[in-house]
Amino acid sequence: ELKVEQNPLFLSMQEGKNYTIYCNYSTTSDRLYWYRQDPGKSLESLFVLLSNGAVKQEGRLMASLDTKARLSTLHITAAVHDLSATYFCAVDLPYGGSQGNLIFGKGTKLSVKP
Amino acid sequence: DTEVTQTPKHLVMGMTNKKSLKCEQHMGHRAMYWYKQKAKKPPELMFVYSYEKLSINESVPSRFSPECPNSSLLNLHLHALQPEDSALYLCASSQDPSGSQQETQYFGPGTRLLVL
Repeated sequence: ELKVEQNPLFLSMQEGKNYTIYCNYSTTSDRLYWYRQDPGKSLESLFVLLSNGAVKQEGRLMASLDTKARLSTLHITAAVHDLSATYFCAVDLPYGGSQGNLIFGKGTKLSVKP
Repeated sequence: DTEVTQTPKHLVMGMTNKKSLKCEQHMGHRAMYWYKQKAKKPPELMFVYSYEKLSINESVPSRFSPECPNSSLLNLHLHALQPEDSALYLCASSQDPSGSQQETQYFGPGTRLLVL
């Protein structure tokens, strides 16, 4: 059974600070996704990481994937209040030859304070 | 256009009612998904349609019945639901279910369901 563990589950940070969210998963997969969810809203895709060593950056967020360590990180640089949201990582567990069976971590609720 | 639309946005139903949730995408995606999300929890996959055929059914109770009339539409028929089925139901789509060009899943805004 695939397990996806995120930590921390709650993160309160000050504006301007840096921090990293970690996503560990328990079985082989080379597809990992990061999503953002604002309260009461749907999920917004942030990053798709498809190979070992993949690194992607968008604004103050940077995601990386180490498939050998089964670890992905989401690094936040110089946080701003607008980044406050819940961040989910999700791992694709192939099922019957098809992709798309996403298993989500529990999410990291990020609160950025002035 | 990377939009997935869902109707209705909110739904209140009794345990004896029959209702349907609808999802639509016009991105030419060939995979569509239903997820259930309880408050403060991650989304949980319910169903996957690949090329309009049901390919994954994650042991969902039969009171939930999916339907994919064509490649752009996905329905979720609800009958005799329980209060614990109250949740946000999210529809998503992605381009290539075979995974050779796997990209992200695009999520709709969701239907917030309350079962009384």
